[in-house]
Amino acid sequence: GAVVSQHPSRVICKSGTSVKIECRSLDFQATTMFWYRQFPKQSLMLMATSNEGSKATYEQGVEKDKFLINHASLTLSTLTVTSAHPEDSSFYICSARRTTVAGELFFGEGSRLTVL
Amino acid sequence: KQEVTQIPAALSVPEGENLVLNCSFTDSAIYNLQWFRQDPGKGLTSLLLIQSSQREQTSGRLNASLDKSSGRSTLYIAASQPGDSATYLCAVNDEGKSTFGDGTTLTVKP
Repeated sequence: GAVVSQHPSRVICKSGTSVKIECRSLDFQATTMFWYRQFPKQSLMLMATSNEGSKATYEQGVEKDKFLINHASLTLSTLTVTSAHPEDSSFYICSARRTTVAGELFFGEGSRLTVL
Repeated sequence: KQEVTQIPAALSVPEGENLVLNCSFTDSAIYNLQWFRQDPGKGLTSLLLIQSSQREQTSGRLNASLDKSSGRSTLYIAASQPGDSATYLCAVNDEGKSTFGDGTTLTVKP
């Protein structure tokens, strides 16, 4: 199956710093990628839809100035958590859909962010 | 707004049993439905994808069905094994956006 790679898998940072998480589709082109946040023992919460070459679409309640998303190529999307605070600590997962809107969705392995 | 519900929230069975996980959704206008597996601290692994025009998909010991009109899908796991222990999530895709259920956490005891 298709592979989506996410990096880093774990990151610990100090409060106030910024952290960048990368999401790459390794063997297919993804015009659209998705970023989710998952709290312990809860399901995925869609944060934003990342579109190649255009601005991301953020879900209601997600601060676009805090969670910067860049989709610079058909295989790479990045999520930057700016001025991170302890409440931003969470599991962040990206996904990419192959080909059409009805295509299969593939997920990265996730990135565990801990803000001290 | 699409809502996805998974029942039960948790399930514990002895090894070898056949089991069924349930997923229901409120809006039947979907493109497809996808079942995932998530191990603790990991991302999601795609198990089966059922397009809206299909009624079922099979992969090994897994069989997923879809009844779009009633807004239901089931994931059938045959001859369960301890390695099947994980959280199973269903996701309904409409207009390019996926809505996830809260998952069923399965424990298969040796």
